[in-house]
Amino acid sequence: GAVVSQHPSWVICKSGTSVKIECRSLDFQATTMFWYRQFPKQSLMLMATSNEGSKATYEQGVEKDKFLINHASLTLSTLTVTSAHPEDSSFYICSARDGDRTDTQYFGPGTRLTVL
Amino acid sequence: GDSVTQMEGPVTLSEEAFLTINCTYTATGYPSLFWYVQYPGEGLQLLLKATKADDKGSNKGFEATYRKETTSFHLEKGSVQVSDSAVYFCALYGNNRLAFGKGNQVVVIP
Repeated sequence: GAVVSQHPSWVICKSGTSVKIECRSLDFQATTMFWYRQFPKQSLMLMATSNEGSKATYEQGVEKDKFLINHASLTLSTLTVTSAHPEDSSFYICSARDGDRTDTQYFGPGTRLTVL
Repeated sequence: GDSVTQMEGPVTLSEEAFLTINCTYTATGYPSLFWYVQYPGEGLQLLLKATKADDKGSNKGFEATYRKETTSFHLEKGSVQVSDSAVYFCALYGNNRLAFGKGNQVVVIP
């Protein structure tokens, strides 16, 4: 149980285009989902916390107009990187919190974004 | 604020050797503590957790004990395998979020 999927697993796009990444909790309802960014050989940086049906809470320094987050249902959150640039290239990982055990998060497999 | 510190640098060791990765934390209150593992090109997998002082988390031969007196949660495994090669992250849950250490890459040589 407690499986989180992400789609796509990797994406290459041209500079200036937008890319949408989906995060799904497959076997549980996730009232809260989190989006992280990971640079090579570094730890995870929390970008935003997403609660179902409400606006996401962004961490300091993360541009909310650039990284659009939508959490429309208890099993789906999306991250849209708008007008992507090469510096947005990174590994994006989502996680979902199992409501019964609020301190445990389950992570998706990640999405490798490359902006040319 | 809450933070986690892991020992510096990668860890390289031979198969069947003993593994220790140090982790210390700073937090208000009594946070839950976690170890996550990340295999190449993948997301994080929960390895083990402990929720209160003196709790021992264990999974797949790995163990870590929540030490309140030393604010530590060191990860250990008695006999590593090549398949244990990965990056290991220590984390704590506080202020409604996970705080991660920088991670340690473990390379197990046959």
